[in-house]
Amino acid sequence: KNQVEQSPQSLIILEGKNCTLQCNYTVSPFSNLRWYKQDTGRGPVSLTIMTFSENTKSNGRYTATLDADTKQSSLHITASQLSDSASYICVVIATGWTGGSYIPTFGRGTSLIVHP
Amino acid sequence: NAGVTQTPKFQVLKTGQSMTLQCAQDMNHNSMYWYRQDPGMGLRLIYYSASEGTTDKGEVPNGYNVSRLNKREFSLRLESAAPSQTSVYFCASRKDGSNQPQHFGDGTRLSIL
Repeated sequence: KNQVEQSPQSLIILEGKNCTLQCNYTVSPFSNLRWYKQDTGRGPVSLTIMTFSENTKSNGRYTATLDADTKQSSLHITASQLSDSASYICVVIATGWTGGSYIPTFGRGTSLIVHP
Repeated sequence: NAGVTQTPKFQVLKTGQSMTLQCAQDMNHNSMYWYRQDPGMGLRLIYYSASEGTTDKGEVPNGYNVSRLNKREFSLRLESAAPSQTSVYFCASRKDGSNQPQHFGDGTRLSIL
């Protein structure tokens, strides 16, 4: 069964500090991995996508990494801001899908709280 | 550009009542999805539609039905609501292509007493 595990479950940091969120997966065969940000009371919004050949990708203060050999990804947030307080969800897509069979596997998310 | 719009935003039902959750997207996407999100759990797929006129079951379809009314609209119906269906429901749409993201609405918060 395809699974995505995220850690930690929750994290509290001070504004301006850095943090790293982890994602381990057993989805196979792998196509791509995406990180979403979900603000309280809102739907998830895509932050970045990692394909098999990519090791690192940045989107502003967010940097995602992927190690396809160990099946691990991380999301690093630099110089955190109050607006970074949200849930961060790791989603993994398997290959072999057709337009009608795109079924992503979602992690449970990491809840990040940034305190002033 | 509104993206994905869900109505209503909040609803309280009594056990046994029926209800339809509405979802519409204005991005001309072929694929649409319904998820539920419960505390401490990841998003779970209820039903999806790869194109107008087609629907398929996801991970947790029991107790739900869907209708892909046209390319824009995808509704989710609870025929006889149960307390276990208390959840936040999200609709999403996606453009064709393996690297395309899902675009989510802001959810319907449903409580069943």
